[in-house]
Amino acid sequence: ELKVEQNPLFLSMQEGKNYTIYCNYSTTSDRLYWYRQDPGKSLESLFVLLSNGAVKQEGRLMASLDTKARLSTLHITAAVHDLSATYFCVHSGAGSYQLTFGKGTKLSVIP
Amino acid sequence: SQTIHQWPATLVQPVGSPLSLECTVEGTSNPNLYWYRQAAGRGLQLLFYSVGIGQISSEVPQNLSASRPQDRQFILSSKKLLLSDSGFYLCAWGPGLPSDEQYFGPGTRLTVT
Repeated sequence: ELKVEQNPLFLSMQEGKNYTIYCNYSTTSDRLYWYRQDPGKSLESLFVLLSNGAVKQEGRLMASLDTKARLSTLHITAAVHDLSATYFCVHSGAGSYQLTFGKGTKLSVIP
Repeated sequence: SQTIHQWPATLVQPVGSPLSLECTVEGTSNPNLYWYRQAAGRGLQLLFYSVGIGQISSEVPQNLSASRPQDRQFILSSKKLLLSDSGFYLCAWGPGLPSDEQYFGPGTRLTVT
């Protein structure tokens, strides 16, 4: 059974600090996605990671993929309150129509 | 550009009542369509997906069903709702290749009382 494990599941951090969210998955991946969900809202795609060593950056967020270690990270630099949301790591298996979601990391950025 | 719509946005229904949630996509043809449920404090669970009109695959056995009467329309139904059906229902579309990124609709929050 495919597993996608994120940690931490809850993260409270002060504005201006840096932190990393980790995502481990149990089988080979065709692609790895990161989505953001604001409270009561839908999911917004943040990053698509296609190959080993892929690194994508958007503003204060940077995502990376290590397929050999089956690990993806989402790094937050100098956090601001607007980044408060739940972040999902999502695994996509080769040839599969199904995405497998991690449980999500609920991030709260405190002024 | 592509747009995905869901309605209603919120719904409160009594146990045993029927359910119909609708999802439509604009700006693309022959999309893959998906229904997910997000229960409180839990991750997303894939319920159904469809690769074409009339083609439905079910991932989780339950009292829900799905239909795709038109290329860009996806409907989630139930004849009799259970309390456990409460949750946030999200429709998503993908461009047609396996493993592609999926784009989510605004969601329907269903409360079964």
